[in-house]
Formats: sequence, structure tokens, C-alpha cells
Amino acid sequence: NAGVMQNPRHLVRRRGQEARLRCSPMKGHSHVYWYRQLPEEGLKFMVYLQKENIIDESGMPKERFSAEFPKEGPSILRIQQVVRGDSAAYFCASSSQSSPAQGGYGYTFGSGTRLTVV
Amino acid sequence: GENVEQHPSTLSVQEGDSAVIKCTYSDSASNYFPWYKQELGKGPQLIIDIRSNVGEKKDQRIAVTLNKTAKHFSLHITETQPEDSAVYFCAACSTSGTYKYIFGTGTRLKVLA
Repeated sequence: NAGVMQNPRHLVRRRGQEARLRCSPMKGHSHVYWYRQLPEEGLKFMVYLQKENIIDESGMPKERFSAEFPKEGPSILRIQQVVRGDSAAYFCASSSQSSPAQGGYGYTFGSGTRLTVV
Repeated sequence: GENVEQHPSTLSVQEGDSAVIKCTYSDSASNYFPWYKQELGKGPQLIIDIRSNVGEKKDQRIAVTLNKTAKHFSLHITETQPEDSAVYFCAACSTSGTYKYIFGTGTRLKVLA
């Protein structure tokens, strides 16, 4: 089991370019979450997806950010027209269908994508 | 809104001593509380978790306690070792809606040899 795979590990973009971050969940996991971590800060929830559905995007900026989790392939977090303030580590996590409070397992995080906007 | 406060932000202990990190949550619907360890340049790794129907859980040198009335939960690491040095995050999760986690701001633990 390869765990949660994120790529690229590091991404450098110039202001105004697009950034595409990919996440392949653990085998058997159908729930994907994206979190953002600014330097020296905690992780902030962005979006929660299941296959072909966005369940909760309450933490995602309304403009320039979008996320998808298609029927086939990885989940994608897309940031259009990046600005310096988008520089951060973006982590993807996956979980199984079971609620962690009812005995299911909690999230497994990937190693993250570190986005630098120059 | 939902909030998790974590203290202290930094903690230095001598090798072999104990370390305690405390968190307070605001959402009374929270019923699952995981703790993550994050080493430099890596993703957070789950080290222990506790559900709201349990007051305490232990796994070797790591234990977590939960006081639902006071909305407090704590991580206890005994017999600390240099490899315990990392940033530790607490989180609270309400599974009544989505399973999103609200994270604390982290504690940088340094174990001095």
C-alpha cells in the first residue's frame, strides 16, 4: 500500500500562472481532503471531496481555487493566477468511508506539495 | 466559529522527562480527537486518537486524555527521546456533518539529549 501520493513535491510558479496539485488517495479510500499550511502555522481545511462530488468547500477561497476528484484518476487542486500569498504547503489526506468517531480510521496525509510563487 | 487552541507553542524537555501538550476545543459536537506528529519537510503522521466515549487512551509512551465537560484534551509523552522532537498538532472533528478536522496551531517539541 503506497499511502497517499502527492505530486509534485515542490512546485515553483510565477505570479499569474496556474498551479495544479495532484493527490492519489490510499487504496480503498473514497474520501479526500485538502489542507493548506502556511509557514509556522497549523493546517487549515480547504475542501472535502468524494468521487465526482464536492462535499464541503467552506475553507476554499471563492476565486481562483477549484478542486475535483473524478471517477478515474487523482484528485486535483487547481489554483489559477497564483499570487505570492498562495505560497504554502498543500496537504492532501484520505480516509475510508467509516466515520472515525464510530470506529473508522482517521486521515492519512500525504507528504504535501510545497508551492512557491515568485 | 469552530476553534482549537493549543498550548504551549514551544516546549523543550530533557531526554527522559515527560512532555504534556494541551488543547481546548469550542465545538461541543466534536467527538473525535486525533494527534499528529510532523517532522520537518514531511506530512503529518497520526500518532494516537481518542473518541468521545473514552476518557483516556494509552499506546506505549504516548497517552491522550479527554475531558468532554471542560472541552479539554491532552497529549502526554513519557520517557522522551530525541526522535520525539517534532511539531505536534491536535485536532477536533465533528462527524455529525463532514469529517473535516479543525487543527490546533501546533507545538514544537525539542527533546534535549
